[in-house]
Amino acid sequence: GNSVTQMEGPVTLSEEAFLTINCTYTATGYPSLFWYVQYPGEGLQLLLKATKADDKGSNKGFEATYRKETTSFHLEKGSVQVSDSAVYFCALNKDSSYKLIFGSGTRLLVRP
Amino acid sequence: NAGVTQTPKFQVLKTGQSMTLQCAQDMNHNSMYWYRQDPGMGLRLIYYSASEGTTDKGEVPNGYNVSRLNKREFSLRLESAAPSQTSVYFCASSTRQGVYEQYFGPGTRLTVT
Repeated sequence: GNSVTQMEGPVTLSEEAFLTINCTYTATGYPSLFWYVQYPGEGLQLLLKATKADDKGSNKGFEATYRKETTSFHLEKGSVQVSDSAVYFCALNKDSSYKLIFGSGTRLLVRP
Repeated sequence: NAGVTQTPKFQVLKTGQSMTLQCAQDMNHNSMYWYRQDPGMGLRLIYYSASEGTTDKGEVPNGYNVSRLNKREFSLRLESAAPSQTSVYFCASSTRQGVYEQYFGPGTRLTVT
């Protein structure tokens, strides 16, 4: 079945460090891929998305490229800030289904 | 636009009590969803409503019921709460076009003692 695997957290970085959070997926065909962010005490917010192979989603300095050959959608940011501390969820949506399939989430802690 | 709103924000129940979690969206979305979030398990879909008048079970429906009251509102009911239902509950909504990105409410933190 369809699934999403994320790297285990927490990921702890110093401010201005480079961030990578790995996400790989299992699905046939060409799912749409998403990154959601959850700040402490809040609901999930859509951070970025990509709908076809080689698409790059970007928002707020974060980027992720849809890699069909490696079934990956890794999240990157060149210089993290303390305010980026949150839980990040990778998700996929298959064949325009109503359902999102989420990874288990990766907690990011950025220290000043 | 308020987006997706949920009430209450916090609730404590005793085992066996019942309650209804309320959700409303003002984005004219057709589809609505209820998830629960437990530590280390991501989000799991409880029920969803693809459109007004329809509801379907998700991954973990046991112990819950839902009502799609109208296009805006989608409620989740616990008829007889159990400690295993202690969780954070999120409502979400989406269009039925494009890539179905979902928009989430702020959540309800429920504790069952």
